[in-house]
Amino acid sequence: AQSVTQPDIHITVSEGASLELRCNYSYGATPYLFWYVQSPGQGLQLLLKYFSGDTLVQGIKGFEAEFKRSQSSFNLRKPSVHWSDAAEYFCAVGANDYKLSFGAGTTVTVRA
Amino acid sequence: NAGVMQNPRHLVRRRGQEARLRCSPMKGHSHVYWYRQLPEEGLKFMVYLQKENIIDESGMPKERFSAEFPKEGPSILRIQQVVRGDSAAYFCASSPPMKQVGSPLHFGNGTRLTVT
Repeated sequence: AQSVTQPDIHITVSEGASLELRCNYSYGATPYLFWYVQSPGQGLQLLLKYFSGDTLVQGIKGFEAEFKRSQSSFNLRKPSVHWSDAAEYFCAVGANDYKLSFGAGTTVTVRA
Repeated sequence: NAGVMQNPRHLVRRRGQEARLRCSPMKGHSHVYWYRQLPEEGLKFMVYLQKENIIDESGMPKERFSAEFPKEGPSILRIQQVVRGDSAAYFCASSPPMKQVGSPLHFGNGTRLTVT
């Protein structure tokens, strides 16, 4: 069975500061891994994905994530946060690109 | 450029009633996926449909739940004889016909079902 844990329910970060969101997964083989973002009143938007190859993946809006097989992690990072990054972030794991299980999400608040 | 449209946004049903959730995919998309988010949990895959075909229903509960995507009209997720445990947010996503592996799914805003 596949599962995802996002240990942080809520993170507050100052504008301009760096951000790291944690994601740990459980899956028997090499998984498909995703990060999605949901802004208030909006649907989920794909930030980035990993299937194979380079373990450091770049996404939209300046985000990146690193796949670490030994730690079963896929943490999301951004060097400098903007106020518009305030949203809820979801990590997802799957056997393919649609049979996904999502984490419960991390809400990011950005303070001026 | 309408995205994935789900309606209603909120649906209240009494125990034993039927719930029908609708999803209109993005224009030009012919693949539809349904996910369920139970309280305090993340979204989980339920079913994958193409026009008039169920491709993968491995995430669907065995009883009371069904889904269809007819040749014309929206995809429908139907829950018969709802129980309190069906209270959740139900999300729909779509993708284009010639979907490449890893191409993004486009999600709707979800339907929140409350069973009283």
